[in-house]
Amino acid sequence: NAGVTQTPKFQVLKTGQSMTLQCAQDMNHNSMYWYRQDPGMGLRLIYYSASEGTTDKGEVPNGYNVSRLNKREFSLRLESAAPSQTSVYFCASSLLVSGAEQYFGPGTRLTVT
Amino acid sequence: QKEVEQNSGPLSVPEGAIASLNCTYSDRGSQSFFWYRQYSGKSPELIMSIYSNGDKEDGRFTAQLNKASQYVSLLIRDSQPSDSATYLCARVGNNRLAFGKGNQVVVIP
Repeated sequence: NAGVTQTPKFQVLKTGQSMTLQCAQDMNHNSMYWYRQDPGMGLRLIYYSASEGTTDKGEVPNGYNVSRLNKREFSLRLESAAPSQTSVYFCASSLLVSGAEQYFGPGTRLTVT
Repeated sequence: QKEVEQNSGPLSVPEGAIASLNCTYSDRGSQSFFWYRQYSGKSPELIMSIYSNGDKEDGRFTAQLNKASQYVSLLIRDSQPSDSATYLCARVGNNRLAFGKGNQVVVIP
């Protein structure tokens, strides 16, 4: 039981490049989330999927897109990376649609130059 | 006003002492609250959930919820160097968690 896994662990992009961050959970959770964490800003929600087949914007969705591929997988895409997207990205999942008791993946450290 | 506020600066406590962390929230309808621990360079880890007024104890951790005053607190008894981390308070609402910015705890041996 791996919990929540994320790939890659580290990534360096040049401005304008695109990439997809992958997230998978093996806990049969219904809801999945993408956050970014920046110094002094705390955890900010980018997008979430309360259940398979649905996605919704969080606090900071601009510049990102998501896909809930199936119940296990939730990917985050940066279409045209900008230096302001340099951050640590966390995926999380929750059994409950309410969002309670979320469990986090190990994170992806992204640098955009 | 932010949904969840953690205003205290870094907290230094001697080993064996009690660390006390506080969190206030703005939505009176909030029902469910959580404390996460985050070690430097790691992801947040859920350590306590509290859903009703009063105290909830789990090992050396006690969470306290006071809905009338709209605050949640976390007590860490017999603090250990391994408790040195940032602690994040969160509440659930609108199918998501709102997090405070966190409080850093440093336990001094």
